[in-house]
Amino acid sequence: DIQLTQSPSSLSASVGDRITITCRASQTIANFLNWYQQKPGKAPKLLISSAFNLQSGVPTRFSGSGSGTDFTLTISSLQPEDFATYYCQHSYSTPCSFGQGTKLEIK
Amino acid sequence: QVQLVQSGAEVKKPGSSVRVSCKASEGTFREYAISWVRQAPGQGLEWIGGIIPVLGTTTHAPQFQGRVTIEADKSTTTASMELSSLRADDTAVYFCARSFGFRWDFDSWGQGTLVTVSS
Repeated sequence: DIQLTQSPSSLSASVGDRITITCRASQTIANFLNWYQQKPGKAPKLLISSAFNLQSGVPTRFSGSGSGTDFTLTISSLQPEDFATYYCQHSYSTPCSFGQGTKLEIK
Repeated sequence: QVQLVQSGAEVKKPGSSVRVSCKASEGTFREYAISWVRQAPGQGLEWIGGIIPVLGTTTHAPQFQGRVTIEADKSTTTASMELSSLRADDTAVYFCARSFGFRWDFDSWGQGTLVTVSS
């Protein structure tokens, strides 16, 4: 099974900052990597699919890149509503799996 | 607006089974897979398994082998997940989520169902 390792596990940042979260797969997954945002008590929300495809309605300050085993999620200018937990997930094969999450907190 | 509507919270005894349902639209059932993902308190997301209703094809994560049954009733456009031999560490919020065909990226989620396993 494919394992995903996210880093960092937590991150403190300020409104307006640019941040990057990384996700590394235990084997190549081409571009079958997705990013989700989850706020407390809510279901996850798909932000980016297939490594870089921004979902409809997601602000353009979110972007994704990478292929093979190394991927990144970048938020170019943090807004107050962006403070949440972010998960990567591979969809290369089943069982699909999630990274352990990155909790983004306000500094 | 896509809606996946799940059944309500459950409290179960260790060793028993729980069944969680997820009502979807006809369009979702025709074109999408439905997966089940769980989240233990304060923990991350764990994919349990999924079904493609139009094919009846199911798949699941190996750690749930022998304990999980995922079904889809096309007449009611409702998917369900039954987990048996419940343990305390099965306590979690269980989500259903849809993905287009075999893509397994989840663009719409149910509201979640809290399952508590306690003696």
